[in-house]
Amino acid sequence: GAVVSQHPSRVICKSGTSVKIECRSLDFQATTMFWYRQFPKKSLMLMATSNEGSKATYEQGVEKDKFLINHASLTLSTLTVTSAHPEDSSFYICSGAGEETQYFGPGTRLLVL
Amino acid sequence: GESVGLHLPTLSVQEGDNSIINCAYSNSASDYFIWYKQESGKGPQFIIDIRSNMDKRQGQRVTVLLNKTVKHLSLQIAATQPGDSAVYFCAENMGGGKLIFGQGTELSVKP
Repeated sequence: GAVVSQHPSRVICKSGTSVKIECRSLDFQATTMFWYRQFPKKSLMLMATSNEGSKATYEQGVEKDKFLINHASLTLSTLTVTSAHPEDSSFYICSGAGEETQYFGPGTRLLVL
Repeated sequence: GESVGLHLPTLSVQEGDNSIINCAYSNSASDYFIWYKQESGKGPQFIIDIRSNMDKRQGQRVTVLLNKTVKHLSLQIAATQPGDSAVYFCAENMGGGKLIFGQGTELSVKP
């Protein structure tokens, strides 16, 4: 149980375009989901907390107009990277909140050319 | 600010040996800790957790030790196997489901 999926697993886009990443909890309802960013050989950096039916809470230094989060249902949260630039290239990981721990998706590798 | 960090960025062990991965935390009020394993190109995978009212917890081939006096956490892997090669993160539950991750230790298992 507690499976989280992400789509797409990998995406390459041109600079200036927007990319949407989906995060789904497959066998449980996630009132809260989290979005992380991870650079090579680095730890996970929390970007934002996504709450179903309300606005996301962004961590300090994360531009909310740049990284749009929508959590329209208890099983789906989306992260849209708007006007992507090469520096947005990274590994994006979502998680669904369990009772105390988090269940992570497999990640989405974004490459902006 | 409060942080969770790891002592060693890399660890290399011989197959069959035991591995010990360490983590220091700074928030003395933290009461729940989790170890995750992350293989290359994948999301973190839950390994084992421990509450602050415990000193030790054992799983299958893994043991987590918690020393609240010195705010230290460790993960022991018995009879390390090539499949254990990954990056290991400790994480501290900050309340509201929010986790703070340590920097990670990359474990390499030599055949």
